[in-house]
Amino acid sequence: EVQLQESGPGLVKPSQSLSLTCSVTGYSITSNYWGWIRKFPGNKMEWMGYITYSGSTSYNPSLKSRISITRDTSKNQFFLQLNSITTEDTATYYCARSLTERGYFDYWGQGVMVTVSS
Amino acid sequence: IQLTQSPSLLSASVGDRVTLRCKGSQNINNYLAWYQQKLGEAPKLLIYNTNSLQTGIPSRFSGSGSGTDYTLAISSLQPEDVATYFCYQYNNGYTFGAGTKLELK
Repeated sequence: EVQLQESGPGLVKPSQSLSLTCSVTGYSITSNYWGWIRKFPGNKMEWMGYITYSGSTSYNPSLKSRISITRDTSKNQFFLQLNSITTEDTATYYCARSLTERGYFDYWGQGVMVTVSS
Repeated sequence: IQLTQSPSLLSASVGDRVTLRCKGSQNINNYLAWYQQKLGEAPKLLIYNTNSLQTGIPSRFSGSGSGTDYTLAISSLQPEDVATYFCYQYNNGYTFGAGTKLELK
């Protein structure tokens, strides 16, 4: 069974960078598409971007200058880095799998809550 | 594409048929999915491509729609269906609805 698990710091200071890891078991990240989604307080959700089976990436234009998604295929992990963090980046961050480029996410991690505060 | 879900809160009784709605600001071309999320859990895929039931999801869940208007129906509400439901379009970019919170009356 495909399982995803996010990990990373729960508290980040403003202006710093946020780094999260998604560890995948039961499926290789060298297949399909692997994305990051976040849910803000108040329940609004935002698609942040994904990394493909070949390592190429696609990002939400609203985040494009601040976001980077990379991977380590030897560990079957992919990563989110978000720079120049503000309090508006406080959210629960999820990683998930999509079977196709223009597709829905079928497996999700439990999510990791990140608070941005000094 | 912006997605508007209605109602934002729905109270219903066990056994009721409930209908949740999702309206796009543009044509979604049936590239619409529905998710269920319970408190503290990961979102669960219920329906994809408007009306395809994800493996393992009870048949009381169904999806329909076209163009800009889509619905998720639960034929007979069960206590375990209490959750927030949100729609997601992947036709033009990727956007989520704000969610409908479903509670028991």
